Amino acid sequence: QVQLVQSGSELKKPGASVKVSCKASGYTFTSYAMNWVRQAPGQGLEWMGWINTNTGNPTYAQGFTGRFVFSLDTSVSTAYLQISSLKAEDTAVYYCARANGGNIPAHFDYWGQGTLVTVSS
Amino acid sequence: QSVLTQPPSASGTPGQRVTISCSGSSSNIGSNYVYWYQQLPGTAPKLLIYRNNQRPSGVPDRFSGSKSGTSASLAISGLRSEDEADYYCAAWDDSLSGRWVFGGGTKLTVL
Repeated sequence: QVQLVQSGSELKKPGASVKVSCKASGYTFTSYAMNWVRQAPGQGLEWMGWINTNTGNPTYAQGFTGRFVFSLDTSVSTAYLQISSLKAEDTAVYYCARANGGNIPAHFDYWGQGTLVTVSS
Repeated sequence: QSVLTQPPSASGTPGQRVTISCSGSSSNIGSNYVYWYQQLPGTAPKLLIYRNNQRPSGVPDRFSGSKSGTSASLAISGLRSEDEADYYCAAWDDSLSGRWVFGGGTKLTVL
């Protein structure tokens, strides 16, 4: 069965960096794009962008350029989200979500359990 | 401010039928499919409806989706206590080189 397992919660100081992992299993990792979605405390869902798991080419949504980097390690079927120069407003749960339908930004059919990133001094 | 508009809350009693609306524009709902996600308290979202009105395997037929023009609706019949959750609509938006947009979410309370 398809599973996306994310790394654990992180507590970081402002200005630091964080790398969130999303390990996939139960399907061919390089056949489906991976999306990243943010959910701030008590707020709704916000699409951050997606990465083509075959080519490694990332696409970032408006508002998620510069400090946000999507990457892959296909040898271990894992996608990564790195955020640098962390700010308090980056405090949120970050989800990876598989794109249904191949390496295109299709809808999200399977989600990771989420990773809480807290930015506080 | 979410691109898609949903009511912040909805409620119903067990056994009742409730509907949740989702309003968009010609660049999203008007020209693309609508999707619905259910987020139970403290958990990740789960795909509930895809391509306007299709249910993934395992989703009860109490859940149904519809779309008309630039609006969509999620209906839940035979309401159960375990349906208490946040519900989000989503659609691809053709503006800004293409992007996924969500509604702000509707918190469903089963009274």
